[in-house]
Amino acid sequence: AQSVTQLGSHVSVSEGALVLLRCNYSSSVPPYLFWYVQYPNQGLQLLLKYTTGATLVKGINGFEAEFKKSETSFHLTKPSAHMSDAAEYFCAVDTNAGKSTFGDGTTLTVKP
Amino acid sequence: DTGVSQNPRHKITKRGQNVTFRCDPISEHNRLYWYRQTLGQGPEFLTYFQNEAQLEKSRLLSDRFSAERPKGSFSTLEIQRTEQGDSAMYLCASSLRQGMGEQYFGPGTRLTVT
Repeated sequence: AQSVTQLGSHVSVSEGALVLLRCNYSSSVPPYLFWYVQYPNQGLQLLLKYTTGATLVKGINGFEAEFKKSETSFHLTKPSAHMSDAAEYFCAVDTNAGKSTFGDGTTLTVKP
Repeated sequence: DTGVSQNPRHKITKRGQNVTFRCDPISEHNRLYWYRQTLGQGPEFLTYFQNEAQLEKSRLLSDRFSAERPKGSFSTLEIQRTEQGDSAMYLCASSLRQGMGEQYFGPGTRLTVT
């Protein structure tokens, strides 16, 4: 079985500050890992994904995440927050079984 | 735009009524997924199809729920004898390849059971 834990259901940062959203997973096989963003009343949009190869992956809107196998983590970062980054973020794991398991999400608030 | 579409976007129904939702995936995607999302939680897997074959159903999917994907194109999710606990956002997603292929989500159908 696979699972995802997102530490911190709410994160608040000031505009221009570093964004760090935490994700830890459990999986019995090498995982595929994803970060999605969801704006109010919309579906989820993929930010970035890790499948194989380079452990630091870059996504859209300046986000990146690093796969750390030893820590079973896939934390999402952005050097400088923008007001438009305010949304809910979901980490997901897929072990090639065809479906993803999602964390409970982290709501990011960006203060002016 | 050739993204995933879902209809209706909102549905309000009375307890005990049946409802049906439709999902149109990206045309070349052979996998289609249904998820349920409640407030404060991430999407929970319900079921998925590869082409017209329903490959897996979650234990969350009681016998009141049924999904179909005739001809491997659009899909429908029907809930019979709705209960207040069925109130949620129902999300559809599609993907091109198993595993490595990220899922593309539709905007969802918000169901409210009164």
